Amino acid sequence: ETGVTQTPRHLVMGMTNKKSLKCEQHLGHNAMYWYKQSAKKPLELMFVYSLEERVENNSVPSRFSPECPNSSHLFLHLHTLQPEDSALYLCASSQTAQGIDEQYFGPGTRLTVT
Amino acid sequence: QKEVEQNSGPLSVPEGAIASLNCTYSDRGSQSFFWYRQYSGKSPELIMSIYSNGDKEDGRFTAQLNKASQYVSLLIRDSQPSDSATYLCAVNHWYMDSSYKLIFGSGTRLLVRP
Repeated sequence: ETGVTQTPRHLVMGMTNKKSLKCEQHLGHNAMYWYKQSAKKPLELMFVYSLEERVENNSVPSRFSPECPNSSHLFLHLHTLQPEDSALYLCASSQTAQGIDEQYFGPGTRLTVT
Repeated sequence: QKEVEQNSGPLSVPEGAIASLNCTYSDRGSQSFFWYRQYSGKSPELIMSIYSNGDKEDGRFTAQLNKASQYVSLLIRDSQPSDSATYLCAVNHWYMDSSYKLIFGSGTRLLVRP
């Protein structure tokens, strides 16, 4: 495996389900990110994890819960989602979390909430 | 004012022409600037990064940065139909009173007519 991988690639879930998205980076980077991309909206930064810090976008609802067990793996736990949460969820990684390094994206998980 | 602004397009150019994509940003302290290409249904792919005023060339792509005017542009020479995609500008921006993070524009859709 190379680059940034994400599983699953597609997910359909009901509003009462609990599911998790997984991301793994094979680039030796120290920072990982979750972004949300909705139709006709810019990429929205949800969470950042790095050796130095964890940053959360305060507008992200608590039904999204991140977990970063080590510098190579990142999870996004989902529970009691709403239909408006349907979007493309992208994981990315970079050398540092200071915004000066190139970020590399995984293929994304297309989430549909029914 | 949005942190990173792009014209949504579509920008339509004939095959072989030069496509010019523009982006303006609001934070005078921004230091890092990136262009990504995103095909429909796919994740963003890094094209170029630029950190200093002036031009940076890579193959058919040239990034231009003017920090005094707070804009960054991407020129695509000899445009091909395969260049048809949405181009995202990303700028590192002081984020949530904590540190610099990449902020993405909404993207400009480019259509290259055969």
